[in-house]
Amino acid sequence: DAKTTQPTSMDCAEGRAANLPCNHSTISGNEYVYWYRQIHSQGPQYIIHGLKNNETNEMASLIITEDRKSSTLILPHATLRDTAVYYCIVRVGVGGSYIPTFGRGTSLIVHP
Amino acid sequence: DGGITQSPKYLFRKEGQNVTLSCEQNLNHDAMYWYRQDPGQGLRLIYYSQIVNDFQKGDIAEGYSVSREKKESFPLTVTSAQKNPTAFYLCASRNRTASYGYTFGSGTRLTVV
Repeated sequence: DAKTTQPTSMDCAEGRAANLPCNHSTISGNEYVYWYRQIHSQGPQYIIHGLKNNETNEMASLIITEDRKSSTLILPHATLRDTAVYYCIVRVGVGGSYIPTFGRGTSLIVHP
Repeated sequence: DGGITQSPKYLFRKEGQNVTLSCEQNLNHDAMYWYRQDPGQGLRLIYYSQIVNDFQKGDIAEGYSVSREKKESFPLTVTSAQKNPTAFYLCASRNRTASYGYTFGSGTRLTVV
């Protein structure tokens, strides 16, 4: 099962882009990259996922390197409400019994 | 709207008592999961169920029990055998035939007094 490595913490000024990196050098060809975030004392919230192409939705953009060994979650205009712990996980997209691991993630603090 | 509901949000228990945490989903998801989260830590898997009437132990199943009699429901019982039950408990569900990920409940914070 592919493991991920994320920085423990990051900070960002409000209104600026927040770029959160994730390394997943052992990712397999059929494993997707998923991002979640957890605001204090709430359940994690799905943000975005991708396989090999860059993805964008109303919350964020996901940039996956060509070799798929790392990715970056981009919050284009961070707000104070984006302060949260961000988890990057990799797993097979469909079926299977693989249970991903949610490590400590990256604690993002957005400051005024 | 479809979603996953955990209740209660806060729960207090006396030492030596069993307590059951509720998790209900109306998403028609096949798989359901229970995680435990301690302060400053990631999520640790307690139990999971891929299908009705079947469930598997996760990494920290000791002192916990579950049932999956209905697709919508996956209650977790914290027994008196769990030595350190004070924690934040999260329930999640997933549609195994879709590529999108987990849907989480809002959590139950259990405190032993």
